[in-house]
Amino acid sequence: SQTIHQWPATLVQPVGSPLSLECTVEGTSNPNLYWYRQAAGRGLQLLFYSVGIGQISSEVPQNLSASRPQDRQFILSSKKLLLSDSGFYLCAWSAGTGIATYEQYFGPGTRLTVT
Amino acid sequence: RKEVEQDPGPFNVPEGATVAFNCTYSNSASQSFFWYRQDCRKEPKLLMSVYSSGNEDGRFTAQLNRASQYISLLIRDSKLSDSATYLCVVNKWGGGADGLTFGKGTHLIIQP
Repeated sequence: SQTIHQWPATLVQPVGSPLSLECTVEGTSNPNLYWYRQAAGRGLQLLFYSVGIGQISSEVPQNLSASRPQDRQFILSSKKLLLSDSGFYLCAWSAGTGIATYEQYFGPGTRLTVT
Repeated sequence: RKEVEQDPGPFNVPEGATVAFNCTYSNSASQSFFWYRQDCRKEPKLLMSVYSSGNEDGRFTAQLNRASQYISLLIRDSKLSDSATYLCVVNKWGGGADGLTFGKGTHLIIQP
């Protein structure tokens, strides 16, 4: 069965510090991968998605970036955090081409507080 | 019109009652529809996909009305463990590696 891991679970970082959040998926090959953010009291916002190694599409212009160095690894980064970057960051995967159900499965998330 | 709109609630419902939520969506090109459940400070978990013909999974029934662009979720014989936020979700585009658009959720509280 497929599992998705995210770490760290919680993070407190000062404004202006860098960020690196990691997500890995097990039990599937060539998944589509996604990063979402959920701010307090708001819905989930899609930040980035990837259909393959090195392929990143950005949905929202901001000071965040994403990379996919391996098939089942997705990384969210920032060089300098802003207060507005606080939120609950969720990584998700879905089956790649050939199964067009679009169901997505989420990791446990990272709760980021920028101080 | 918001992309996905839900009544935020909270819905306070006695245990054993039936409760229904509706959700409207704006993108007529959306092809996939889901209900997710999110517990406090946890990740969303897929509850059920919503098919054109409607579908049922135990106490849960989902319906899709493409003409009016809304989906619904019915929970019968509600349990205390059903207390959660229910997210209405539609796919953003028409195909390929699709992002999902999430509603802000309907908060359900089942009372003993």
